[in-house]
Amino acid sequence: DAMVIQNPRYQVTQFGKPVTLSCSQTLNHNVMYWYQQKSSQAPKLLFHYYDKDFNNEADTPDNFQSRRPNTSFCFLDIRSPGLGDAAMYLCATSNRPNYGYTFGSGTRLTVV
Amino acid sequence: AQSVTQLGSHVSVSEGALVLLRCNYSSSVPPYLFWYVQYPNQGLQLLLKYTSAATLVKGINGFEAEFKKSETSFHLTKPSAHMSDAAEYFCAVSESGANSKLTFGKGITLSVRP
Repeated sequence: DAMVIQNPRYQVTQFGKPVTLSCSQTLNHNVMYWYQQKSSQAPKLLFHYYDKDFNNEADTPDNFQSRRPNTSFCFLDIRSPGLGDAAMYLCATSNRPNYGYTFGSGTRLTVV
Repeated sequence: AQSVTQLGSHVSVSEGALVLLRCNYSSSVPPYLFWYVQYPNQGLQLLLKYTSAATLVKGINGFEAEFKKSETSFHLTKPSAHMSDAAEYFCAVSESGANSKLTFGKGITLSVRP
């Protein structure tokens, strides 16, 4: 089935050690999003790509960066993870954003 | 700016009872509205969406929602709750445009009692 796949499902990283989360899609959607969701909170948009155009949210920390080498893949890089970055990270895609997004299963990041 | 309000954080119903989860929105232009469901340690799954067609929208798993412009509401209902409905439910709003973004409410946890 066409879908959005996030790897890994669970990631443990050390405080300050760079970590990369990946997202791939077989839907050929032109927009890809990264959301951060902390425990019992709503997902918070970090940034999104419209094709190759990168759109950063104003309050996304500089510690968070993203790459989209092609239509199918998008990466979230956390340069120096802090304890406060522990969260579920959700990738989503859309071809027509007003018709909803397709989400991956998420990567739960633990920082030790 | 667009926003969504979901009052309360937890709703508990008995199996077979009516489910009603409330959502009110704020938008400067006609909105697109969505309900998503999230099971533990999973991503979000689209339940249903309102995109300016019929005001009563039917979704998956027996859920439906009615768009009421006069009340700026988009409440989610299901006539008879099932144990498998226990999950987190998020209402979200989006405005038109290629770079439109989903803004989520804080979510409501639904518990279903046997």
